[in-house]
Amino acid sequence: DAKTTQPNSMESNEEEPVHLPCNHSTISGTDYIHWYRQLPSQGPEYVIHGLTSNVNNRMASLAIAEDRKSSTLILHRATLRDAAVYYCILRRRDSGGYQKVTFGTGTKLQVIP
Amino acid sequence: ETGVTQTPRHLVMGMTNKKSLKCEQHLGHNAMYWYKQSAKKPLELMFVYNFKEQTENNSVPSRFSPECPNSSHLFLHLHTLQPEDSALYLCASSLGDSSGELFFGEGSRLTVL
Repeated sequence: DAKTTQPNSMESNEEEPVHLPCNHSTISGTDYIHWYRQLPSQGPEYVIHGLTSNVNNRMASLAIAEDRKSSTLILHRATLRDAAVYYCILRRRDSGGYQKVTFGTGTKLQVIP
Repeated sequence: ETGVTQTPRHLVMGMTNKKSLKCEQHLGHNAMYWYKQSAKKPLELMFVYNFKEQTENNSVPSRFSPECPNSSHLFLHLHTLQPEDSALYLCASSLGDSSGELFFGEGSRLTVL
């Protein structure tokens, strides 16, 4: 499986933008880049995903490098409720046509009031 | 509320007990997953089912036995567990393609005495 690399932790001030990086240098052409976050005592929740183009939704923006070997999740104004572990994962079909979904260690985001 | 329901939320069992975790989704998804999350470790993929067929067993010990009777229900049968099996067990579901998001339940917190 293609792996992702993220910093273990990051800090941000409240109401400031946050850029969470992810490296995926062995990404294949069929891999989608997904971001999830896990709040304390909860299961992970979907944030955003993309393939080649930058994506925006109500939660965040996803900037994908032209060579697709890295991506950045952008939270435009961090709030205290955004404090969570953020996971960058790659999703692909294996040779049998089925899913491979593997999580890494993620980035723990701390938001400072 | 993600549409994926896990029961029980908390379970304490002895090493000689037999118990089961249940996961249910009515989102029309055809892929279901079991993950294990131990303290300070990344989520570990355990099993994947696509259209009720097991398509992934990530070298999980046989004391964990999954069952998927239909596309909406997934069970994890537990027997003769070890204390190191204490963890948060998360169920997820998705459509069977690489672009669809994963929906996670809130997890079942298992403690093995």
